[in-house]
Amino acid sequence: AQSVAQPEDQVNVAEGNPLTVKCTYSVSGNPYLFWYVQYPNRGLQFLLKYITGDNLVKGSYGFEAEFNKSQTSFHLKKPSALVSDSALYFCAVRDYSGAGSYQLTFGKGTKLSVIP
Amino acid sequence: GAVVSQHPSWVICKSGTSVKIECRSLDFQATTMFWYRQFPKQSLMLMATSNEGSKATYEQGVEKDKFLINHASLTLSTLTVTSAHPEDSSFYICSARDLKSEVDEQFFGPGTRLTVL
Repeated sequence: AQSVAQPEDQVNVAEGNPLTVKCTYSVSGNPYLFWYVQYPNRGLQFLLKYITGDNLVKGSYGFEAEFNKSQTSFHLKKPSALVSDSALYFCAVRDYSGAGSYQLTFGKGTKLSVIP
Repeated sequence: GAVVSQHPSWVICKSGTSVKIECRSLDFQATTMFWYRQFPKQSLMLMATSNEGSKATYEQGVEKDKFLINHASLTLSTLTVTSAHPEDSSFYICSARDLKSEVDEQFFGPGTRLTVL
């Protein structure tokens, strides 16, 4: 079974400050990891993904995430937060264990509020 | 990039009526689509996996006779909420699996807000 934990329901950060949204995962095999952002009454927008290779992944809108296998973490980061980054962020994992294993498991989401 | 659309974006209906939601992959073929349900301030819960040309696979606790899924083509899956009741009010999101992506990525639709009066 696979699972994702986002330990923070809400993260508040001042505009211009760096932000981190935490995510840890559990899979039996190799993980594919994803971050999505959701604005009110909208679907999910893809931010970035980790498949293999460089542990630091860069994505859309200046976001990046670092895959840490020993800590089973995939925290989302941005050097300088914008008010427009305020949204709901979801971490998701897929356990690549062969054919048919393509279901995504989502964390509960973290609400990011960037304060002007 | 891969685009998934949903129609309608919102719908209000009376209790007891049926509502159909369409999910389309606009620029790629999707043999598999997923239907999720999201309650306010909660995560996405997978309801079912829709496979083109075959029966959908429902997650535990999801009534297949209430949430009818049809995946008649490689670009269209429909979710019909039959005899809707107020407790079915929710945000329904579909995703489509792009076989040609490097990791069989899922691309998400914009969601459909269902309100049952």
